[in-house]
Amino acid sequence: DQQVKQNSPSLSVQEGRISILNCDYTNSMFDYFLWYKKYPAEGPTFLISISSIKDKNEDGRFTVFLNKSAKHLSLHIVPSQPGDSAVYFCAATIFGNEKLTFGTGTRLTIIP
Amino acid sequence: GAVVSQHPSRVICKSGTSVKIECRSLDFQATTMFWYRQFPKQSLMLMATSNEGSKATYEQGVEKDKFLINHASLTLSTLTVTSAHPEDSSFYICSARDPSPGTSMEQFFGPGTRLTVL
Repeated sequence: DQQVKQNSPSLSVQEGRISILNCDYTNSMFDYFLWYKKYPAEGPTFLISISSIKDKNEDGRFTVFLNKSAKHLSLHIVPSQPGDSAVYFCAATIFGNEKLTFGTGTRLTIIP
Repeated sequence: GAVVSQHPSRVICKSGTSVKIECRSLDFQATTMFWYRQFPKQSLMLMATSNEGSKATYEQGVEKDKFLINHASLTLSTLTVTSAHPEDSSFYICSARDPSPGTSMEQFFGPGTRLTVL
């Protein structure tokens, strides 16, 4: 049972444009969400997170939006840069639980 | 951010042998560490939660006798794959969260260990 889903396995975006990565979840108990970036043969690197008490969190070029009613979150990267090419995972947890449930990942390719 | 290291980065072993993977938190003490495995083009699957000074908590479907976890100190957790078989070949990743007051929920991941069982 995949509780966190990323329905787009891959995405290609022109350099300088906005990249939008989507994530859906089914467990209404999740109240904290994270995005990680991963290069091949490396561990994931934390990017940005959001608590369910917010609907938006911004950090530089990265913004995460949360729509609780739709159980949907998205990561916006603007402007996209070649170094952003990687696999992006969203993850969800219940605050205080510490266990993360990961989505299936989206491979983002930035086209120069 | 906090740094987590893993050793070795890759290991090739013969079927039937045991392999130990170390996970260390370098600049913080972690009472809890997590072990994941990732198959090609798939998500990270949590295998177990490693608790310092107590038994690990395994996820459903993970054989605790095959994947031995020891969390002997606040900065070190080890995963031993016993009697490894080719189907155990995977990318194993550990993570830890800095429990210091004021830190957020993110986990910091090690660089991973590529295990290949021949």
